[in-house]
Amino acid sequence: DGGITQSPKYLFRKEGQNVTLSCEQNLNHDAMYWYRQDPGQGLRLIYYSQIVNDFQKGDIAEGYSVSREKKESFPLTVTSAQKNPTAFYLCASSTAGEKLFFGSGTQLSVL
Amino acid sequence: QQQVKQSPQSLIVQKGGISIINCAYENTAFDYFPWYQQFPGKGPALLIAIRPDVSEKKEGRFTISFNKSAKQFSLHIMDSQPGDSATYFCAASSAGNTPLVFGKGTRLSVIA
Repeated sequence: DGGITQSPKYLFRKEGQNVTLSCEQNLNHDAMYWYRQDPGQGLRLIYYSQIVNDFQKGDIAEGYSVSREKKESFPLTVTSAQKNPTAFYLCASSTAGEKLFFGSGTQLSVL
Repeated sequence: QQQVKQSPQSLIVQKGGISIINCAYENTAFDYFPWYQQFPGKGPALLIAIRPDVSEKKEGRFTISFNKSAKQFSLHIMDSQPGDSATYFCAASSAGNTPLVFGKGTRLSVIA
């Protein structure tokens, strides 16, 4: 089945720890995105990549980092600099920047 | 600065009624306006989308109305069903592969 796979579904972070969220797609889409969802806040863009080996900051990039070494993969690292990381993280991909296909999300919580 | 303002934040509708969710935008460069539906614990999925060259688009029970001069667009769900209970997001983007900007979402509850 074609789609976007996010893992893990639940993740816990300790104080001062970096954690990495995985996102893989087999839709052959050029563009990939990371959004953060907080209750009542909608979807806020963290980072996006329109092509391999290139990515741009979104509205709330501070405390996060990404890489795009392969077309299929766009991992997100939540660094210790992100002081309020508890949220639902959504990865998405698209072609031509329009219809987004979303993964099922990763819920990150702080221990 | 919020680029897409969505209202209401929550909505309760009787089964069989009409659900209406509104969005407003400021950026006149926006030319693509989708609506996404999200169920708890899942990622959003595209429901319906419209471009500014038409004032209305209908797909089944779902209709987008678009008012270019007022810079507003809305989602109408006819004959609302309990299975429509979800969070709905409007969004907008401009040409050139720019990312979608989302509204804050509306939690819809359809009660029997």
